[in-house]
Amino acid sequence: DAGITQSPRHKVTETGTPVTLRCHQTENHRYMYWYRQDPGHGLRLIHYSYGVKDTDKGEVSDGYSVSRSKTEDFLLTLESATSSQTSVYFCAISTSSGGATDTQYFGPGTRLTVL
Amino acid sequence: QQPVQSPQAVILREGEDAVINCSSSKALYSVHWYRQKHGEAPVFLMILLKGGEQKGHEKISASFNEKKQQSSLYLTASQLSYSGTYFCGTQRLGGTASKLTFGTGTRLQVTL
Repeated sequence: DAGITQSPRHKVTETGTPVTLRCHQTENHRYMYWYRQDPGHGLRLIHYSYGVKDTDKGEVSDGYSVSRSKTEDFLLTLESATSSQTSVYFCAISTSSGGATDTQYFGPGTRLTVL
Repeated sequence: QQPVQSPQAVILREGEDAVINCSSSKALYSVHWYRQKHGEAPVFLMILLKGGEQKGHEKISASFNEKKQQSSLYLTASQLSYSGTYFCGTQRLGGTASKLTFGTGTRLQVTL
């Protein structure tokens, strides 16, 4: 258990509405990540953070933004949700400081449905 | 570019062995293996670094062939608890540290 929580755990929303997902960690890890998981695609990186206010894009970042104002919280925002963003979203942390042997640990996930 | 995992799915009887492969077209520094049970988060199993080392975790072991840029996960004497989807995550040589690219997964079902 890497002390990662996600909220909400489940959410149903309508197309066009803004949605914010929260990832909270208790162990002061520097690196945090947001992935989405869809059948047939595995886990795909949306955005990641390497420190407070330091973020970068992943491979599927269109339609998503992130913010990290505190070490422990990493927020993922869908500015205007679309049905194609229906997915399971996982937050992850990395246990080290950016080295090649870092291990990522995942939060419990958020199931988002956009109607 | 996502690594390619094979097979996509496999069904075993309890006690049988299986091999799951993960191949990349890019030069890799490390390969990370995870197992995910239905409705749960992926769980870290082991990390393999370039150099061809082999690691073990209970009756699950893995190897990394640097020349082929391929890692293999070996499950021996499978147990019902091994059922789930296995993912490899790869870290490229020269890539951004701590970024992993995951394969699409191999679904393993162990039956009685």
